[in-house]
Amino acid sequence: DTGVSQNPRHKITKRGQNVTFRCDPISEHNRLYWYRQTLGQGPEFLTYFQNEAQLEKSRLLSDRFSAERPKGSFSTLEIQRTEQGDSAMYLCASSSLAGSYNEQFFGPGTRLTVL
Amino acid sequence: AQKVTQAQTEISVVEKEDVTLDCVYETRDTTYYLFWYKQPPSGELVFLIRRNSFDEQNEISGRYSWNFQKSTSSFNFTITASQVVDSAVYFCALRSGNTDKLIFGTGTRLQVFP
Repeated sequence: DTGVSQNPRHKITKRGQNVTFRCDPISEHNRLYWYRQTLGQGPEFLTYFQNEAQLEKSRLLSDRFSAERPKGSFSTLEIQRTEQGDSAMYLCASSSLAGSYNEQFFGPGTRLTVL
Repeated sequence: AQKVTQAQTEISVVEKEDVTLDCVYETRDTTYYLFWYKQPPSGELVFLIRRNSFDEQNEISGRYSWNFQKSTSSFNFTITASQVVDSAVYFCALRSGNTDKLIFGTGTRLQVFP
């Protein structure tokens, strides 16, 4: 049973460019989550999906951010017109609906640096 | 409002010492879930334990133990006989209400010196 994978692991981009990250959840996990973590802080929730449906979006997710999970498997997070404030670690997690805890299992993250 | 507070920013201990990481949470919901995660230098968050609001039994797993007290809204984590490999940032998280999102504390950095 492989864990959550994320690509790329690191991304350096110039301000104003668009970037896209990919997350592959644990197979058969039907919920998928995106979080953002800045230095010295805990992860902050961005959005989550149940299968293809995006169930909740944080106010942190501005119009420049869009997330998709087209076939209910992998997900992409796109940031348009990146700003230096977008520099952070972007974490993906997945969970199964079996049971009430829905504990989330995290991937290694994608570290974004905007120059 | 829902909130998790980890007042200890950084703790340093010498190997074999016991250490307790504090977590205080706030929620108005009667049903909620609490979690601890470990984030080693590699960066990946590792799930350690979960608890729901109806289960106040303390739990022990090897050198790790957890003390959940609803009366003080605390969910503290103790490592007995700490080891260098325990060095990491530890996060407490809360899930409550009709949402799956986790609300994390700011984390406690634990450094265990040999």
